[in-house]
Amino acid sequence: QQKVQQSPESLIVPEGGMASLNCTFSDRNSQYFWWYRQHSGEGPKALMSIFSNGDKKEGRFTAHLNKASLYVSLHIKDSQPSDSALYFCAVVTNAYKVIFGKGTHLHVLP
Amino acid sequence: EAAVTQSPRNKVTVTGGNVTLSCRQTNSHNYMYWYRQDTGHGLRLIHYSYGAGNLQIGDVPDGYKATRTTQEDFFLLLELASPSQTSLYFCASSAARGTEVFFGKGTRLTVV
Repeated sequence: QQKVQQSPESLIVPEGGMASLNCTFSDRNSQYFWWYRQHSGEGPKALMSIFSNGDKKEGRFTAHLNKASLYVSLHIKDSQPSDSALYFCAVVTNAYKVIFGKGTHLHVLP
Repeated sequence: EAAVTQSPRNKVTVTGGNVTLSCRQTNSHNYMYWYRQDTGHGLRLIHYSYGAGNLQIGDVPDGYKATRTTQEDFFLLLELASPSQTSLYFCASSAARGTEVFFGKGTRLTVV
């Protein structure tokens, strides 16, 4: 059974700082990786995807994937208070399941 | 943007009662999912489906049944509800394997 683990559980960064979120997965056959963000009172919404090893940058957000190390990360540059949210790593298995980690609470302090 | 509509948004039921949560997506997505969200556990997959009449078991299926009656409609059934099923339930859909998953606004279920 695919296991997706995220760290840290909670992260506090100052406005303008860099936030780094980590995610490990257990199934080496996993092919699709997403990051989702959930603000309080809402459903999760997709932030970005990464399917190939290496880095993918979208604005202030950079995702990194290393399939051999079973590791994916998200880095948020120039963090804003509006980035404060619950962030999920999601991994798609060969069985078409979409498995989410437990999430990282990000708090950006003005 | 893809629309996923859940009903009801809030529900209170008694232990042992029957509950049906409804979900409709209007984007012709093939895949639909039911998750529960609990503090400390994140989002856990209950059941999912990749087409009308298809049903796949997720990671926490005990106590839940699901039915996909049409391409658009996916239902989650709790027979003999228990307090441990008090949770925030999300329905979601996606077009194909590996594509973006779109979530509804959630149903908060309380079993007393």
